[in-house]
This record gives sequence, structure tokens and C-alpha cells, in this order.
Amino acid sequence: SQTIHQWPATLVQPVGSPLSLECTVEGTSNPNLYWYRQAAGRGLQLLFYSVGIGQISSEVPQNLSASRPQDRQFILSSKKLLLSDSGFYLCAWSVEAGGYNEQFFGPGTRLTVL
Amino acid sequence: GQNIDQPTEMTATEGAIVQINCTYQTSGFNGLFWYQQHAGEAPTFLSYNVLDGLEEKGRFSSFLSRSKGYSYLLLKELQMKDSASYLCAAMDSNYQLIWGAGTKLIIKP
Repeated sequence: SQTIHQWPATLVQPVGSPLSLECTVEGTSNPNLYWYRQAAGRGLQLLFYSVGIGQISSEVPQNLSASRPQDRQFILSSKKLLLSDSGFYLCAWSVEAGGYNEQFFGPGTRLTVL
Repeated sequence: GQNIDQPTEMTATEGAIVQINCTYQTSGFNGLFWYQQHAGEAPTFLSYNVLDGLEEKGRFSSFLSRSKGYSYLLLKELQMKDSASYLCAAMDSNYQLIWGAGTKLIIKP
């Protein structure tokens, strides 16, 4: 069966510090991978998605970046965090099957920037 | 532009029925998803509709009208554990999910 891991679960970082969040998927090959951010009480904002190694699409301009060094690894990074980067970060994967594209979410990382 | 609308919050009584509505406008359409999200947790999949009509899964049912750009999630025999946010998401022509802000459902005894 497929599983998705995210770490860390919670993180408190000062403004201006760097960030690295990691996501790995097991039990599937060549998944689509996604990074979302969810502000408190709000919906999901798609930040990045990837359809393959080294292929990253950015949905919103920001001080974040993403990389996919391996098929089942997706990394979210920042060189200098802003207060507005606080939120709940979710990694998700999907495999398209005739247009059906259910996304499965990792447990999330709660980031607080102080 | 692309847009998903759903109520911000709803309140219902344990044992009752509640219907959560969602309207969508997307560039193309490849299906409508409902997810459940408990506070502090990741969303979990509930249902998927791509054809008009009602899909039933135990206590939960989801309805879609493509011509009206409308869906609803129906929850029957409400239990306290159903207290959560319910997220509506429509898949556009690029197979990307456009997410609503979620409906917070409060269940009262």
C-alpha cells in the first residue's frame, strides 16, 4: 500500500531563517506531487506541483521554492522566512488514471514564523 | 477566473441530516471531490463525482449537476465525530484541483 511521510510535524522558526520541509512517498512510482499551504481557517492554496523528477510548476509568486531530486521525494525550501509564511503545509500525491486524480495527503507540517 | 463557493460554517444536531452545498466555476471540468478535514489534521477523501447524479457511500452521499456547476454533500445520522471541515474541490481541464475554503460543520448533542 502507498504511504506518504512529511517531517517535521511542527516547526517554529525566526523571521529570516531558512526552511526545508521534506516529503516522501512509498509504494507508488512516478506520482504527481503537490505542496499546499493552509492558513488558519482557510482553504488549501496550491504552491507547487511536480509531474516528474526535476519538473516543478509554481502556482503563486513567493519566497518559497521546491525541488524533486528523486521520483518520490519532494522538498519545499526557503532562504529567508517571512511572518506570512506561517501556516499548515501539506504534501500530497496522486496518480492519474483516465482523468481520475484523487490526491492523498501527508500528515502536514505546522510552521510558525516568529 | 476559477472559483469555488461553499458556506463558511454550518451547525446541525446529532442524529439529523445536513446538506453542504458547493458551486464551482472552472476552466474545463474533470470531476468534483469532497474531502473531510478534522482540526489540525490532513484532509481525507470522501467522494468523487464526474457524472450528474447522486453517489451514495454509507451515511455520506454526494450529488453533482454539471449544467448548474453545483454539488452537495449529504451527511445522514450525524455523529459527534462528523464535526470537521468539509472541502469541495473541482478538477479543471489541466487536472488540477481548485479548492474551496471549506465548510466548518459543528455538531451539537
